[in-house]
Amino acid sequence: EVQLVQSGAEVKKPGESLKISCKGSGYNFTNFWIGWVRQMPGKGLEWMAIIHPGDSDTRYGPSFQGQVTISADKSSSTAYLQWSSLKASDTAMYYCMRHETYYYGSGSYGYYYYIDVWGKGTTVTVSS
Amino acid sequence: DIVMTQSPDSLAVSLGERATINCKSSQSVLYSSNNKNYLAWYQQKPGQPPNLLIYWASTRDSGVPDRFSGSGSGTDFTLTISSLQTEDVAVYYCQQYYTTPPAFGQGTKVEIK
Repeated sequence: EVQLVQSGAEVKKPGESLKISCKGSGYNFTNFWIGWVRQMPGKGLEWMAIIHPGDSDTRYGPSFQGQVTISADKSSSTAYLQWSSLKASDTAMYYCMRHETYYYGSGSYGYYYYIDVWGKGTTVTVSS
Repeated sequence: DIVMTQSPDSLAVSLGERATINCKSSQSVLYSSNNKNYLAWYQQKPGQPPNLLIYWASTRDSGVPDRFSGSGSGTDFTLTISSLQTEDVAVYYCQQYYTTPPAFGQGTKVEIK
């Protein structure tokens, strides 16, 4: 069974750093784009960033570029999202997700499409 | 960036009746090379992560009941629930994956009348 297992809830103070994780299992981790979606309290879904674990290629949404860093460790099949200095406005649920990824020919670029797998979410609360 | 706009923001439908949700993209998400619309629909029930319902605008994901259907092309898309059930109470989101960032619509909340 394909699964994304996320790290537990976090409570932090403004200005602190944070790194949350998402471990993939049941599939070849290096072959699928994996990333994060934010959902602020009572609000909709916002696509943040993705990474291709095979070559560490990344894509960021404009609102999140420079605000967070996405990374991945192939050896542990784990993706990460980190902040260097949290703000109260970072308070949200963060969902790990996997994009369906197609390769057109061996050794070719992996194109990402719809999101076919979701983690259960990690709640991040930032409050003084 | 492509902007996705859903309508209505919420709707209340009687059990067994049809629910229709619209999604409009600010530019076409139809890729002419393969004639596919890069549009997905997700369902998010209270307290749960989203779940994929439909991709390529009209292909139901495995295990999705056939009362859910997607249609449309180019910039205008529709998600239809043919006969609303209690378990369909949720927020529904469309998402384009034609360009980066693959933006979501703002969501449509479906309730029982």
